[in-house]
Amino acid sequence: GENVEQHPSTLSVQEGDSAVIKCTYSDSASNYFPWYKQELGKRPQLIIDIRSNVGEKKDQRIAVTLNKTAKHFSLHITETQPEDSAVYFCAASRPLNKLTFGTGTQLKVEL
Amino acid sequence: DTGVSQDPRHKITKRGQNVTFRCDPISEHNRLYWYRQTLGQGPEFLTYFQNEAQLEKSRLLSDRFSAERPKGSFSTLEIQRTEQGDSAMYLCASSPGGGDNTEAFFGQGTRLTVV
Repeated sequence: GENVEQHPSTLSVQEGDSAVIKCTYSDSASNYFPWYKQELGKRPQLIIDIRSNVGEKKDQRIAVTLNKTAKHFSLHITETQPEDSAVYFCAASRPLNKLTFGTGTQLKVEL
Repeated sequence: DTGVSQDPRHKITKRGQNVTFRCDPISEHNRLYWYRQTLGQGPEFLTYFQNEAQLEKSRLLSDRFSAERPKGSFSTLEIQRTEQGDSAMYLCASSPGGGDNTEAFFGQGTRLTVV
């Protein structure tokens, strides 16, 4: 089955700096790669996703890149703000299939 | 609120008791997923439904766990003879399931504590 690895497990940045979180996946049939943000005690919320026919996608301060050959994808957050502090999860899935999640990255944006 | 809703939000039970959780997906979403999340970990897949059909069950799901979605709308997850290791957040998610659209939207979860 699919195996998703995520790094780093914790990330601390200064407000205004960029943050990058990286994930690798094992199943070459996976074609959908979402990123979720989870604040303490709350539900995971989808923030951005990318499909395997696209190499990069951007939404305001958030971007995701995908390298299918290397089987890795990354989340980039620019101009970080304190409200970006949360746990971020990457995930991968085959078409219309279950999501396999990474272990999460605790992002802390310091003033 | 038209999102995924779960009930109850919290459940404390004694070891050995049975518990049942309910999930109401977003209207017209035909795919429904159950995940379990423990502290510091990502959600782990348990099972999912396409309408009323249960299409896959994780090997994590022991015989004490059963899930149903009888009319293809809400779903229930039952845990029999609970153990302390069952303590976790149980998350439900739904997705439209049609075409290539696989965005999954999560509910708030049911936090289970087995004492």
